[in-house]
Parts: sequence; C-alpha cells; structure tokens
Amino acid sequence: NAGVMQNPRHLVRRRGQEARLRCSPMKGHSHVYWYRQLPEEGLKFMVYLQKENIIDESGMPKERFSAEFPKEGPSILRIQQVVRGDSAAYFCASSLVNRETQYFGPGTRLLVL
Amino acid sequence: AQTVTQSQPEMSVQEAETVTLSCTYDTSESDYYLFWYKQPPSRQMILVIRQEAYKQQNATENRFSVNFQKAAKSFSLKISDSQLGDAAMYFCASLLNRDDKIIFGKGTRLHILP
Repeated sequence: NAGVMQNPRHLVRRRGQEARLRCSPMKGHSHVYWYRQLPEEGLKFMVYLQKENIIDESGMPKERFSAEFPKEGPSILRIQQVVRGDSAAYFCASSLVNRETQYFGPGTRLLVL
Repeated sequence: AQTVTQSQPEMSVQEAETVTLSCTYDTSESDYYLFWYKQPPSRQMILVIRQEAYKQQNATENRFSVNFQKAAKSFSLKISDSQLGDAAMYFCASLLNRDDKIIFGKGTRLHILP
C-alpha cells in the first residue's frame, strides 16, 4: 500500500520561473493538505483540498501561489515567478477523512537561485 | 489562537537510556488531537504517536509513550531504550477537531550518543 508520493523530490529554479509540485495521496484518501517548512522551522499549513475543491487556503500567500486537486490525477502546488524566499521544503499530506490523522509524503525541496 | 511550544531546541541521550521531550500547547477548545512526528535526516515526516484529547489513557507505541496532562496542557514524549535510529528532529503538533490544519512546534533535535 503506497504512501503519499511527491515529485520531484528536489527542484531548482531561477528567480522568475515557475515551480510545479505534485502530490499523489495515499490510496483511498480524498483529503490533501500542503505545508511549507522553512529552514530550522516547523511545518506551516498552506492549503487544504478535496477533489476539485479548495476547502481552506488560509495559509497560502495571496499572490503567486495556487493549488488544485483535479478529479483525475495528483494535487498540484504551483508557484509563479519564484523568489529566493520561496526556497523551502514543501510537504503534502493526505487523510482518509477530514480531521483525522494526516500522513505525510517525503517532501519536495525547492531551491531558488 | 492555537500554539504549540517546544522549549528544548536540542537534546542528547546515551544509547539504551530513556529521554523525555517536552511540549506544551495552548487552546481554548476541548476536542482536539495531539501528535508527535519524527523527521530523520531524510526529512521524511513520520507519525510517531497520536493522542485524542478526550482519552485519559496515555498513548503508547512500543518504546514511545506520552504523558498527557490535559489540565496543564502538556504533552511530553518518552523514548525508552534509545536507539541510534531515533536520532531525528521531533515535532509536537495539535489538530482541533473542528479544523483542518495541524499546528506544529519548532521541533527538538535529538542526538543519540553511542
């Protein structure tokens, strides 16, 4: 039973480029959460999605960041016109039902040059 | 606002000994979950243990156990018979039953001394 999958594991972008991070939840899970971890910090919530719906995006920066979870395929976190401050580890988690244990993927390390 | 505080940035323990990591939290809610996650050098987030606030019995998973003091809003993690593979960052976290987002502490880096 595969866990949460994230790709790529490492992503290097130059300032101004776009970054696309993908997350496939555990089999049977329809709730997806994205978190960001800055160096030497804990994880900070960004957005919570169910299939085709954004439920809570209270932690998402208002500009340049967007997320989707289409009916088919993985969830995508998209960062447009990346800046150096976007360099971080981005973790995806999934749960079977809402407000239950969230299982995390291995993360994507984004480095903006 | 919901907060989670880990006051020990780093700790060390001798292999095979017991160590306790501290965590306090603040919430006005009565229905919530508490977690300890482990983040080894691979940076993967691994769930170690989970506690439902309504349960008085402390959760236990093999060598890992918690001391949950609801009135004091304290949730410490005890690791018995420490092993080299336990070396990692440990994050305490909370999740309100009415909410979606897990709130994490800043972490405690645990070193295991051979």
